[in-house]
Amino acid sequence: ETGVTQSPTHLIKTRGQQVTLRCSSQSGHNTVSWYQQALGQGPQFIFQYYREEENGRGNFPPRFSGLQFPNYSSELNVNALELDDSALYLCASSLLVNSPLHFGNGTRLTVT
Amino acid sequence: AQSVTQLDSQVPVFEEAPVELRCNYSSSVSVYLFWYVQYPNQGLQLLLKYLSGSTLVESINGFEAEFNKSQTSFHLRKPSVHISDTAEYFCAVEETNAGGTSYGKLTFGQGTILTVHP
Repeated sequence: ETGVTQSPTHLIKTRGQQVTLRCSSQSGHNTVSWYQQALGQGPQFIFQYYREEENGRGNFPPRFSGLQFPNYSSELNVNALELDDSALYLCASSLLVNSPLHFGNGTRLTVT
Repeated sequence: AQSVTQLDSQVPVFEEAPVELRCNYSSSVSVYLFWYVQYPNQGLQLLLKYLSGSTLVESINGFEAEFNKSQTSFHLRKPSVHISDTAEYFCAVEETNAGGTSYGKLTFGQGTILTVHP
């Protein structure tokens, strides 16, 4: 079985720009969650998608948005990038909403 | 809202020594508890989890953790560490409703960097 894959692995953007990060879920998993991990911190929950609908959201502004596609792959979009958005963004999929999460290796975003 | 405190940011130990990584949590409802491990430049891997039942849970590589409801703790232990255990370890909680259903939102601690020296 394939694991969770994320692309790109690294990305550099300028403040004010927009970015799209992509995630391919583990085979058969219909739930995807996104987390932000700032340097030296634990991951923080951004949101979760279940069957293409948002199923919970953390304390992040609306400029953080997402999509889940019929094949259960997912995107995280961030508009109007700020310097504090620099972080490792982790995607995690699970078989069901309350099943253990399987994490990808993340996308390292640097905003300059 | 729940919170997680990992009491040590860094824990250096020698190979074959025992280790304990401490985790305390705060929540007004029932929780599931997890330990994840993160190796450099990688995502998080589930190490072990407590959902219900026996308060002592074990992983396949010798780690164990004990859920202590009265002390709201979920400390991770290993009786003899290896160089390969060097990594960052994260404790996490997930709130559940009265029926035991959770919603996939984990709250993580700040992490503990375990460094095993030869």
